[in-house]
Amino acid sequence: NAGVTQTPKFQVLKTGQSMTLQCAQDMNHEYMSWYRQDPGMGLRLIHYSVGAGITDQGEVPNGYNVSRSTTEDFPLRLLSAAPSQTSVYFCASRDRTEQRRYGYTFGSGTRLTVV
Amino acid sequence: LAKTTQPISMDSYEGQEVNITCSHNNIATNDYITWYQQFPSQGPRFIIQGYKTKVTNEVASLFIPADRKSSTLSLPRVSLSDTAVYYCLVGDPSGSARQLTFGSGTQLTVLP
Repeated sequence: NAGVTQTPKFQVLKTGQSMTLQCAQDMNHEYMSWYRQDPGMGLRLIHYSVGAGITDQGEVPNGYNVSRSTTEDFPLRLLSAAPSQTSVYFCASRDRTEQRRYGYTFGSGTRLTVV
Repeated sequence: LAKTTQPISMDSYEGQEVNITCSHNNIATNDYITWYQQFPSQGPRFIIQGYKTKVTNEVASLFIPADRKSSTLSLPRVSLSDTAVYYCLVGDPSGSARQLTFGSGTQLTVLP
């Protein structure tokens, strides 16, 4: 089924470890974004991309890196995990021109725990 | 970015119509109002978007008065499966993801 696929669904890291959260979409969407959601809060934007090779920082970018080498993939890298990065991470994508009809399509999330 | 204010929570009973109001006093000329729904352990899902007056689709209606300083999401005849968090967002849909700012949302609980 077409959509946004995030892997892994769950991950436990030790403080100081690094890892990459994967996000892939098969809808040929230009725009992709990463959010984190903490308990009882809305989503906060980490990084976003408006096309292959173009990325920019969102509201809470510190401790995270992204790259966009292809239209389909937008991985999020945690450089040195900290307990404050324990959260649920969502990837989203949208077509550059169709946002007014369908909005963003979100993945099912990655639940990350840093101990 | 226009800030939004919504009730933290609402309760309703099955079969009732639910109206969730969102205030956005400093909405800009190019801004649209968009609503998302989020179930536990899932990503948000786009429900509806509008600029002014009334928009209706198969799941909801969106009412926007002439001054556009508020909007109301209307869910007809809710069921238990409509229990979720509902987010109101205001921004220019032609802009980047920076335009998509989620607040804390409204927790809707539908009771039997």
